[in-house]
Amino acid sequence: AQSVTQPDIHITVSEGASLELRCNYSYGATPYLFWYVQSPGQGLQLLLKYFSGDTLVQGIKGFEAEFKRSQSSFNLRKPSVHWSDAAEYFCAVARRSGYSTLTFGKGTMLLVSP
Amino acid sequence: DAGVTQSPTHLIKTRGQQVTLRCSPKSGHDTVSWYQQALGQGPQFIFQYYEEEERQRGNFPDRFSGHQFPNYSSELNVNALLLGDSALYLCASSPRQGAGNTIYFGEGSWLTVV
Repeated sequence: AQSVTQPDIHITVSEGASLELRCNYSYGATPYLFWYVQSPGQGLQLLLKYFSGDTLVQGIKGFEAEFKRSQSSFNLRKPSVHWSDAAEYFCAVARRSGYSTLTFGKGTMLLVSP
Repeated sequence: DAGVTQSPTHLIKTRGQQVTLRCSPKSGHDTVSWYQQALGQGPQFIFQYYEEEERQRGNFPDRFSGHQFPNYSSELNVNALLLGDSALYLCASSPRQGAGNTIYFGEGSWLTVV
């Protein structure tokens, strides 16, 4: 069965520092890959997605993610974190064939310190 | 253009009661999915509706049922509520069938079962 692992439950980063959130997936074939962000009490907002092509994907709010097939990873990065980036981040995958349903990781809570 | 809208925003129910949550998809979207997000967890897929039929279902008991109307809006019904059903229920819509379409989420309905 497919699964998504986000090994870090919480991460604290100083404002202005760089950020990397890890995501590993287990799947029969390379799935579609997504990162979503959820602010407290809010729904999910799509940051970026990888379908094919360039393995470095640019998203909104200055985020990027790199797909590494050999490591089954899709890590999210940002060069300089802002206090407004504090939120929960979810990695998700979807099968390439069939219907558009998502399997999510358990999320990583990002805390930004001044 | 309104995005995915859900109602109610918050509600409290007693064990054993029944609840109905509602969702209007983003304009132009005809596929609606429901997810359950327990506290501290990632969203879990409940089921997906397309052309007024349940097309795919996750690992949820029959107490969870749904409906899709001709205008593509959808309802999620949960019978015989348990304390463990307390969660954020997210509705997601996507355009047409097929994997890889961008999935948009609503703000969710917070259900508390006491």
